[in-house]
Amino acid sequence: AQSVTQLDSHVSVSEGTPVLLRCNYSSSYSPSLFWYVQHPNKGLQLLLKYTSAATLVKGINGFEAEFKKSETSFHLTKPSAHMSDAAEYFCVVIPRTNFGNEKLTFGTGTRLTIIP
Amino acid sequence: DADVTQTPRNRITKTGKRIMLECSQTKGHDRMYWYRQDPGLGLRLIYYSFDVKDINKGEISDGYSVSRQAQAKFSLSLESAIPNQTALYFCATSDLRATGTGNEQFFGPGTRLTVL
Repeated sequence: AQSVTQLDSHVSVSEGTPVLLRCNYSSSYSPSLFWYVQHPNKGLQLLLKYTSAATLVKGINGFEAEFKKSETSFHLTKPSAHMSDAAEYFCVVIPRTNFGNEKLTFGTGTRLTIIP
Repeated sequence: DADVTQTPRNRITKTGKRIMLECSQTKGHDRMYWYRQDPGLGLRLIYYSFDVKDINKGEISDGYSVSRQAQAKFSLSLESAIPNQTALYFCATSDLRATGTGNEQFFGPGTRLTVL
């Protein structure tokens, strides 16, 4: 079984300051981890993913995340927030097996607000 | 993402009515999924299909049914809609060949359903 906990339901930062969105996971198997972003009235777009290669993963729009097995964390960061980053962000885990029946488990989301 | 389309995009209906939401994809993926999104709950899996002859219940399948008419089409039906089925519904696809490496899912734009 697997689960995801997004530690903050809402984060507000000023434009130009760093962004940190926190995610902890549990998984019976080695996990693959994703961050998806959902802008208002839009579908979900993949920001980045970890699939057992480098533990520091770079994604689109300047976001990155670091897989820390010892802390079971996959926090999302960005050095400098932009107004266009305002959206809801979802951390997602999927167990990395070869059974062919893996399913995604979503966190409950973090709403990021950018203050001008 | 135009590769995964959903119709209708918005629908308002009354309690007791039968509703069908449709999903089509041009990505050539075998796997298709239906999720619902509720505020503060993230996305929850309703049904999924790994190929045309394979249909599986997700975590919240009660009150819903699905039909996989072809590899590219996956429909979700509410046989008798009730107000607590008011939600944002997403269709997603993934590639069978990505199994074991963390198969990313590709999402449609969503259908906003309101049951009065």
